[in-house]
Amino acid sequence: QVQLQASGPGLVKPSGTLSLTCAVSGGSISSSNWWSWVRQPPGKGLEWIGEIYHSGSTNHNPSLKSRVTISVDKSKNQFSLKLSSVTAADTAVYYCASTYCTNGVCYRFFDYWGQGTLVTVSS
Amino acid sequence: EIVLTQSPGTLSLSPGERATLSCRASQSVSSSYLAWYQQKPGQAPRLLIYGASSRATGIPDRFSGSGSGTDFTLTIRRLEPEDFAVYFCQQYGSSPPTFGGGTKVEIK
Repeated sequence: QVQLQASGPGLVKPSGTLSLTCAVSGGSISSSNWWSWVRQPPGKGLEWIGEIYHSGSTNHNPSLKSRVTISVDKSKNQFSLKLSSVTAADTAVYYCASTYCTNGVCYRFFDYWGQGTLVTVSS
Repeated sequence: EIVLTQSPGTLSLSPGERATLSCRASQSVSSSYLAWYQQKPGQAPRLLIYGASSRATGIPDRFSGSGSGTDFTLTIRRLEPEDFAVYFCQQYGSSPPTFGGGTKVEIK
């Protein structure tokens, strides 16, 4: 069973860059799967940020415009998120998750989730 | 993007009762690509239902999903103590995938 573990600084200054990493265990990041980031502001709902395939192909939520960069490191079996120009509105629990794939087809819902990491944007 | 509206915001019920949660989409969800998740405090969401009505691996059969188009329902047949949590719907038929605001099922 795939396990995901997100990690990174818990505090980022306004206008800075949020950087998180998700370590994948129990499976290969090079499997036929997409890997996503989802966030949840305190007490609120969920927002999909974007996804990456092991080839490096990415998709992201247009609401975050060009602030998002998602990358993959196959040698470390992990993928990463960078979110630039952060404001207090980016304060949230950030989850990494795997997209459900079966018989070579992937559907953009999420069967495995990491435990989440809280990132606070504050000076 | 598709906006999902969940109702009610809070459902107060007793163990053993039936829970009916609604998720309404701002436009038709293609191929009934709708999922439901359960989230407990301090935990990540857990996948319950996908394809509007298919239970995920290991999910008890007291959980069932139904609906199509713009109206979807999650039903919990007889609430167990561990079912009191927040439930989110998510559509994945259009990009970007979007989530509803959640329904909290609390103990009455």
